Amino acid sequence: EAGVAQSPRYKIIEKRQSVAFWCNPISGHATLYWYQQILGQGPKLLIQFQNNGVVDDSQLPKDRFSAERLKGVDSTLKIQPAKLEDSAVYLCASSLVLAGLYEQYFGPGTRLTVT
Amino acid sequence: AQSVTQPDIHITVSEGASLELRCNYSYGATPYLFWYVQSPGQGLQLLLKYFSGDTLVQGIKGFEAEFKRSQSSFNLRKPSVHWSDAAEYFCAVSGGTSYGKLTFGQGTILTVHP
Repeated sequence: EAGVAQSPRYKIIEKRQSVAFWCNPISGHATLYWYQQILGQGPKLLIQFQNNGVVDDSQLPKDRFSAERLKGVDSTLKIQPAKLEDSAVYLCASSLVLAGLYEQYFGPGTRLTVT
Repeated sequence: AQSVTQPDIHITVSEGASLELRCNYSYGATPYLFWYVQSPGQGLQLLLKYFSGDTLVQGIKGFEAEFKRSQSSFNLRKPSVHWSDAAEYFCAVSGGTSYGKLTFGQGTILTVHP
């Protein structure tokens, strides 16, 4: 079974530029998560989808971050414009269904550096 | 709101020694508890989880963890550490009404000396 795929793996941009990350979850997984992991911290949930609907985006900085999950499969996370403090690893995860007891499978992440 | 504290930022052990990583959580009801491991450049891998029942849970790679409700703790243990266990370990909590939202601790970096 293929795991969660993410691209690109690394990205370096200048502040005020825009960037987009892509995630392909495990086939059949209805729930998709985007986490932000700043160096030295644990991952923090940004947004959570159930199929193509948003369940929780309370910690997403909506003035600059946006995310979509068209057709309930792949997802894209965008930052526009980027700030220095957005430098982090962005992790995508998926789970079979929307429930606390179902395991989340994580992708390798995209490491973003904003200069 | 749920939260997780991992008091130890960095732990160093010798290969073959025993290991215990501490985790304390804050949650109003019975939590779902997890331990994940992250190797450099890799995503997070689930080591073990606790939902209910036996408070001592076994995981992969020889790890186990014990849920202690009275102490709000979920410490991770391994009787004999291998050099390949060097990584960063994260404790996380989720609740029945949080629809799968994981709240992570800040992580503990494990260094293993030969």
